Amino acid sequence: RKEVEQDPGPFNVPEGATVAFNCTYSNSASQSFFWYRQDCRKEPKLLMSVYSSGNEDGRFTAQLNRASQYISLLIRDSKLSDSATYLCVVKEAGAGSYQLTFGKGTKLSVIP
Amino acid sequence: EPEVTQTPSHQVTQMGQEVILRCVPISNHLYFYWYRQILGQKVEFLVSFYNNEISEKSEIFDDQFSVERPDGSNFTLKIRSTKLEDSAMYFCASSGDPGGGYTFGSGTRLTVV
Repeated sequence: RKEVEQDPGPFNVPEGATVAFNCTYSNSASQSFFWYRQDCRKEPKLLMSVYSSGNEDGRFTAQLNRASQYISLLIRDSKLSDSATYLCVVKEAGAGSYQLTFGKGTKLSVIP
Repeated sequence: EPEVTQTPSHQVTQMGQEVILRCVPISNHLYFYWYRQILGQKVEFLVSFYNNEISEKSEIFDDQFSVERPDGSNFTLKIRSTKLEDSAMYFCASSGDPGGGYTFGSGTRLTVV
């Protein structure tokens, strides 16, 4: 069974804090890796792809360790608008197509 | 920015009734998907669709479910005889290539009573 595991949180942090989320995945043949953001009762929205070399997008840094099957997301200088659930997502090749496997998400609340 | 649109945003139906959830994927996308999210649970894959046929389906996607692309723009999910446990948020997604990112619609909240 293919699983993506995340710490559910919640993480309650003050504005300006740095916060890190971790994720592990079980399928070593997974092809691509992503962080999505989901606001309450809304659709998942792609935050960033994750590459083995690590990648950064403004205040967000993502890392992938294929050997450990571990993915991380670092948010620096947290803003109130960062409050959301962060979903670790893995793309896997199935028998006929690719499909996304989602973690349950880590809830972040940024407090004034 | 191109969007995936879904209608209705909320559907309430009685157990045993048929429902059709509608989606308009991004116009130049070729790969279409349905996912669902039961309240408080993770987003789960239902089915993928390419070239007018199902590419893959999950265990959830049993005989009660079907998908169709009735014309050049719509992509529908039909649930033949709804059960209470079908209550969930149903998300449509599309992508331009199978390895690329997906764009999700804003979802249809299905409530079976």
